Parts: sequence; structure tokens; C-alpha cells
Amino acid sequence: AQKVTQAQTEISVVEKEDVTLDCVYETRDTTYYLFWYKQPPSGELVFLIRRNSFDEQNEISGRYSWNFQKSTSSFNFTITASQVVDSAVYFCALNYGGSQGNLIFGKGTKLSVKP
Amino acid sequence: DTEVTQTPKHLVMGMTNKKSLKCEQHMGHRAMYWYKQKAKKPPELMFVYSYEKLSINESVPSRFSPECPNSSLLNLHLHALQPEDSALYLCASSQVDRERASLNFGPGTRLTVT
Repeated sequence: AQKVTQAQTEISVVEKEDVTLDCVYETRDTTYYLFWYKQPPSGELVFLIRRNSFDEQNEISGRYSWNFQKSTSSFNFTITASQVVDSAVYFCALNYGGSQGNLIFGKGTKLSVKP
Repeated sequence: DTEVTQTPKHLVMGMTNKKSLKCEQHMGHRAMYWYKQKAKKPPELMFVYSYEKLSINESVPSRFSPECPNSSLLNLHLHALQPEDSALYLCASSQVDRERASLNFGPGTRLTVT
């Protein structure tokens, strides 16, 4: 079965704190792709990152960083020095060896960053 | 132009109405998608078009009818909807490739069925 679990439903932090959003996935496929999307209150889903199953290198983009660990089936997302503009719902998603575009989304983590 | 646009932004319709949602992209993407997102839930795939042909229909009721008139446009025709169909309808596009390109989502149409 293909599944994405985001155990944290809501997280609230104060500006400048670091925060990590957890994502655990399940798939039997050896080739798969993992994504993170941000959904601000306006509703649009904003693509943040894509990782394929053969690339376990961690990535850093400005204040954002991602830790992909196949051994624990996790793809965690860390925001360093959070800002109010980071407030949004963050979705982790999986696309496996099946059809293109059929993203299996986690339930999302709502992040609130307070000034 | 790296946007996916959707019209209208908001739509209120009665259960006997017929309406259409429109989606447009000019990124040269040949895959286009409709997703449905209920409040406080993740998006769920409805339809996939690849090279203007319907390739996936995720068991969506026939009151939703997709159409892809050309490579830039995607429509979703609505007829005899139910109140439980009220949701955010998201259109997305991507390249068609084996590397599972990331999807570019539009801002969505917020639909209310009364």
C-alpha cells in the first residue's frame, strides 16, 4: 500500500524559532518520488521540492532544508529561523511507480508562526 | 509565463445548474490534472489528461465531466451536483516524463453547491 503520514496536525512556533515537519511514507516500489508542497491561506499549492528514491542527498535552499532517510522511510522538512510568512499548511506527497500525477498526499501539517 | 490560471475563483451553484470550471497554462506542459480538495483535507486526484487524452479517471461520478480542447486548456463541466461536492477544485499541469515532474497548481476554484 502507498501511504504518507504526517503525524503533526498543527504546530505553533514563535518567529525565529526552527521547526521540523515530519513525513513518513510507505511504498513497495523501489522507484518513487517524494514532494513537499506549501498551501498558504490563499489556497494555491506551491511546489517546494522533489526527491527521487535514488537520491538520498539532503538539500538546503535558503532557510529550508530537507532530510531524506530511506532507512526510516522519512522525508522531513526543517524551516530555520521561521517567519510569519511561513504560516501555511504543508503537504508531503508520494508518487510511486504508478501513474503520473497521482500524488498520494499526507494529511498536512498546519504551521502557525506568531510574531 | 509559469502560471496555471483558473476561472472563476469562486462559484456558487444550485443542484440543478450546469456550470464549467476553466484552467489554462502556457508552459508547454502536455499533462493536466483536476484535483478536488475538501476543507481541512489533502487534495485528491480526479482526472489526468496526457497529450489531450484522458488517461486517468479516479472513479469520479458522471456529474463531473472533464474536457481538454487543446494542450493549453482544461475544463471541468459540472451538472446536477450535490452539496457534498462543495470543495476547492485545483487544476495542475506538468511535463510528461519518466522523472515524475513536479505539478504546477493553479489557485483553485472554490465551489459551493446550494
